[in-house]
Amino acid sequence: DAMVIQNPRYQVTQFGKPVTLSCSQTLNHNVMYWYQQKSSQAPKLLFHYYDKDFNNEADTPDNFQSRRPNTSFCFLDIRSPGLGDAAMYLCATSRVGGTETQYFGPGTRLLVL
Amino acid sequence: GQQLNQSPQSMFIQEGEDVSMNCTSSSIFNTWLWYKQEPGEGPVLLIALYKAGELTSNGRLTAQFGITRKDSFLNISASIPSDVGIYFCAGGSSNTGKLIFGQGTTLQVKP
Repeated sequence: DAMVIQNPRYQVTQFGKPVTLSCSQTLNHNVMYWYQQKSSQAPKLLFHYYDKDFNNEADTPDNFQSRRPNTSFCFLDIRSPGLGDAAMYLCATSRVGGTETQYFGPGTRLLVL
Repeated sequence: GQQLNQSPQSMFIQEGEDVSMNCTSSSIFNTWLWYKQEPGEGPVLLIALYKAGELTSNGRLTAQFGITRKDSFLNISASIPSDVGIYFCAGGSSNTGKLIFGQGTTLQVKP
């Protein structure tokens, strides 16, 4: 089945220690998104890639970076995690951007100690 | 900026009851999506709506794209315990090229 996969499902890191979360998709979609979601709030868009074009949200901290080496994979790098970065991180894809339907992965729960 | 008002914020109902939730906005949307999220999981797409006035069903779920393009509702008929979760609406706007999410409706079903 075509799907969006996130690894790991749970990640524990230390305050200030860089961490990378990964996302892969078998849908062959052009757009990949990263969202941050805290305690039953709505997902908050961090950034997205349309093919290789990176689009950052204005309020996304510099601490958050992303890489998309190919169509299938996208990574979220948190350079110096703070306690406030503990959250669920969701990857999503869409065939094209704009108002197209987005399909979410299962998420990675990040804990910062 | 664009905002969605989703209501109710939470519902606690008896198994077998019907449920209705809605999202409204002062802005026009081109797409309305309804997702369900269970604890520790990502949102799962339930219904996607692309045309004003469109009424779409998925099993016991029915959703409509408001004729003004500023609102949408989701109905769940004959609720069962596995309907428990948080339901999010999301509006897609060609102005921003992004999805705007509602605040979510937490549904609890008592067996």
